[in-house]
Amino acid sequence: GENVEQHPSTLSVQEGDSAVIKCTYSDSASNYFPWYKQELGKRPQLIIDIRSNVGEKKDQRIAVTLNKTAKHFSLHITETQPEDSAVYFCAANSDAGNMLTFGGGTRLMVKP
Amino acid sequence: KAGVTQTPRYLIKTRGQQVTLSCSPISGHRSVSWYQQTPGQGLQFLFEYFSETQRNKGNFPGRFSGRQFSNSRSEMNVSTLELGDSALYLCASSPQPTGKETQYFGPGTRLLVL
Repeated sequence: GENVEQHPSTLSVQEGDSAVIKCTYSDSASNYFPWYKQELGKRPQLIIDIRSNVGEKKDQRIAVTLNKTAKHFSLHITETQPEDSAVYFCAANSDAGNMLTFGGGTRLMVKP
Repeated sequence: KAGVTQTPRYLIKTRGQQVTLSCSPISGHRSVSWYQQTPGQGLQFLFEYFSETQRNKGNFPGRFSGRQFSNSRSEMNVSTLELGDSALYLCASSPQPTGKETQYFGPGTRLLVL
């Protein structure tokens, strides 16, 4: 089955700095890669996703890049703000798109 | 549209008891997936139902079971509860089977087993 590894497990940055979270996946047939943000005590919410037919996608301060050859994708947050503090999960589909496997999560702390 | 709802939101049980959790998906969504979330363990996939059929099952013991009704609402049952079953149980719905479209999560049911 699919294996999704996420690094780092914790990340601390100063407000205004950039943050990068990286994920690798094992199933070369994976073609859908969503990112979820989970604030303390709340449900995970989709913040951005990318499909394998593009290499990069941006939404304001958030961007995701995908390298299909190396089988890794990354979340980039620029100009971080305290409200960006949360746990971020990456995911990849597998088994011909029939399953979604999540990474272990990254706790991002943005210091004011 | 109303979001995914889960009931109850909090539950306290004792070892050996059984529990049933409920999930109502977004209207029109036919796929419901269940996850267990514990500190440090991320999101562990339990199972997925689509159109009343279980499509996938994660690596959990047979004490964990589920079902889906014709209106797409889903229930999850855990029998013979163990202390280690204490966790946040999240369900997520999507229009099509998992892995093809965005999943939308419910608020979760926090289960404490004493």
